[in-house]
Amino acid sequence: QVQLVQSGSELKKPGASVKVSCKASGYTFTSYAMNWVRQAPGQGLEWMGWINTNTGNPTYAQGFTGRIVFSLDTSVSTAYLQIYSLKAEDTAVYYCARDSEYSSSSVAFDIWGQGTMVTVSS
Amino acid sequence: DIQMTQSPSSLSASVGDRVTITCRASQSISSYLNWYQRKPGKAPKLLIYAASSLQSGVPSRFSGSGSGTDFTLTISSLQPEDFATYYCQQSSITPPWTFGQGTKVEIK
Repeated sequence: QVQLVQSGSELKKPGASVKVSCKASGYTFTSYAMNWVRQAPGQGLEWMGWINTNTGNPTYAQGFTGRIVFSLDTSVSTAYLQIYSLKAEDTAVYYCARDSEYSSSSVAFDIWGQGTMVTVSS
Repeated sequence: DIQMTQSPSSLSASVGDRVTITCRASQSISSYLNWYQRKPGKAPKLLIYAASSLQSGVPSRFSGSGSGTDFTLTISSLQPEDFATYYCQQSSITPPWTFGQGTKVEIK
C-alpha cells in the first residue's frame, strides 16, 4: 500500500545536526512532491517547506532558510530532512507528507509519515 | 504570509452532536483550503481539500464549505472516533501553506 516510513527518534545536543529519512513505497516516488511539517510540544502544525521529487529543487519556509536542507535519493525512493545547529526550540515531531497532486494550482497532503521525534537537550 | 485563524480553540461535545469549526484567512484564498484531523500519537489525516471535496475514505458526516476568507468544517453527527484536533490549511498556489492553530474536540 501507499505509505511513508520515517526513521526513528533522535536525541541530540544543542549545536549538533540531525538527518531524518522518509522512505516512500507503493507509488512512483518522483511523481509527487514531498513536504516537511513539524509540530513542537503543545504547538500546532508548522509547514517547513517542500521538495520537487522530480527535479530535486527545494523550497524552504521563511524562518528555516539556512538551517535546513531537503534532499533525495530517488534510487531508494527516500527523502531526507537535515537540520543543522540544533536548538532546544527544534524539539518537535517532524513529518514528511506527500502532496496529492490533485491540482496544478493547489496542494493537499494526502499521505503522511508516522513522524520522527527529535529531542534537543544538553 | 497568509495567516489562518481557527475558532474555537477547543470545544466539548457529545456523541451525536453537530459540530462546526470555523477557519478565517487573513486574505482571500478562493477555495484553497484543506482540513486535517490529528489524533494523539498519529499523523494528521486529510479530510477535506479544496474547501468542500471529501477525501477518499473519509465518512460523509464530515463536510466543508466556504470560499474567500471564511470556511467551515462540519461534523453532522459526532462519533467517538472523531474526538481529535482539527487543523485548517491554506493551500493557494503560493507557499507558505500555513495551518491554523487547531481546534480540539473533546468529550462532554
